[in-house]
Amino acid sequence: AQSVSQHNHHVILSEAASLELGCNYSYGGTVNLFWYVQYPGQHLQLLLKYFSGDPLVKGIKGFEAEFIKSKFSFNLRKPSVQWSDTAEYFCAVNARRDDKIIFGKGTRLHILP
Amino acid sequence: ETGVTQSPTHLIKTRGQQVTLRCSSQSGHNTVSWYQQALGQGPQFIFQYYREEENGRGNFPPRFSGLQFPNYSSELNVNALELDDSALYLCASSYYPNEQFFGPGTRLTVL
Repeated sequence: AQSVSQHNHHVILSEAASLELGCNYSYGGTVNLFWYVQYPGQHLQLLLKYFSGDPLVKGIKGFEAEFIKSKFSFNLRKPSVQWSDTAEYFCAVNARRDDKIIFGKGTRLHILP
Repeated sequence: ETGVTQSPTHLIKTRGQQVTLRCSSQSGHNTVSWYQQALGQGPQFIFQYYREEENGRGNFPPRFSGLQFPNYSSELNVNALELDDSALYLCASSYYPNEQFFGPGTRLTVL
């Protein structure tokens, strides 16, 4: 069965710090990978996605993620965070021919001004 | 804005009651998926409807049921509400088997 594991439940950083949120998935076949963000009081938004091709994916707001197939990982990075990045971040996966999306439990990111 | 709308925004029910949540999919989409997001958790897949037929179901009891209409809008029905059903219910639409777009959700509180 597919599963997604996010390493950190709660991360606190100061503005301008670099960010890396870990994500590992469990699935034997080809997968699509996603990072979603949920800002306080707002709905789920797609940050970035990987379907195929270049394993380094760039998303909105300066975020990027790298798919490392051998490690079943899809870590999210940002070189310099801002206070407005305070939100909950979800890593997610689905199989190529199956739209069901499996989400991780989320990482709550708090940026100190 | 994704074009996926959900109603109502918030809902309060008591244990044992029944509830219907609604979702209008983005124009051109033929698939609707429903997810439950409990507090502090990631969304969990409830079921998916494709061309008015259920097309996959997660680990939810039969009292969670759904419908998809010819215009591809959808309803989620939950019977015999329990306290643990309190959650944010998310709807996502897609043109199968492509990327899903999420709506803003309906927050259900069961007292």
